[in-house]
Amino acid sequence: AQSVTQLDSQVPVFEEAPVELRCNYSSSVSVYLFWYVQYPNQGLQLLLKYLSGSTLVKGINGFEAEFNKSQTSFHLRKPSVHISDTAEYFCAVGDNAGNMLTFGGGTRLMVKP
Amino acid sequence: DAGVIQSPRHEVTEMGQEVTLRCKPISGHDYLFWYRQTMMRGLELLIYFNNNVPIDDSGMPEDRFSAKMPNASFSTLKIQPSEPRDSAVYFCASSPLGAADEAFFGQGTRLTVV
Repeated sequence: AQSVTQLDSQVPVFEEAPVELRCNYSSSVSVYLFWYVQYPNQGLQLLLKYLSGSTLVKGINGFEAEFNKSQTSFHLRKPSVHISDTAEYFCAVGDNAGNMLTFGGGTRLMVKP
Repeated sequence: DAGVIQSPRHEVTEMGQEVTLRCKPISGHDYLFWYRQTMMRGLELLIYFNNNVPIDDSGMPEDRFSAKMPNASFSTLKIQPSEPRDSAVYFCASSPLGAADEAFFGQGTRLTVV
């Protein structure tokens, strides 16, 4: 079985400040890791993914995440946020055994002017 | 491709009525997932299909829920009878490679059972 924990349910931050959204996972098999973003009244869309290779993954809208196997983490970062980044962010883990994606509880990023 | 298409976008129904949610996945995607999103429980996987075959339905909450995929371009999620606690946003997603690749989500169906 696999699980995903997003440690912060809400993260308030001022515009142009850096932000880190934390994600930890547990799985007994090799995993694939994803970050999705959900804007109000929308479905989820992919920000970035880690399948293999370099542990630093760059995504859309200036976001990046680093896979840390020893700490079982996949934290999302952005050096300077914009008002338009206000949304809910979901970390997800997929395993090659079950072919299912398991999502964390989500982190609401609130960017203030 | 127009993406994953769900209908209706909004559904309001009375307790006890049957509700059918519809999904058209992206052409060529072998995997289809149904998720439910609520404030209390977050995003839950209900069931997923591979090549139209249900693979894991362990997330389906009760026998009142059923899902079908009669062909590669159509799936339904049915609730019969519906209850107020079924109120949620239901998402359909499709993927070419299952958990090893991006899942493309529809806009969701917001279900309200009164």
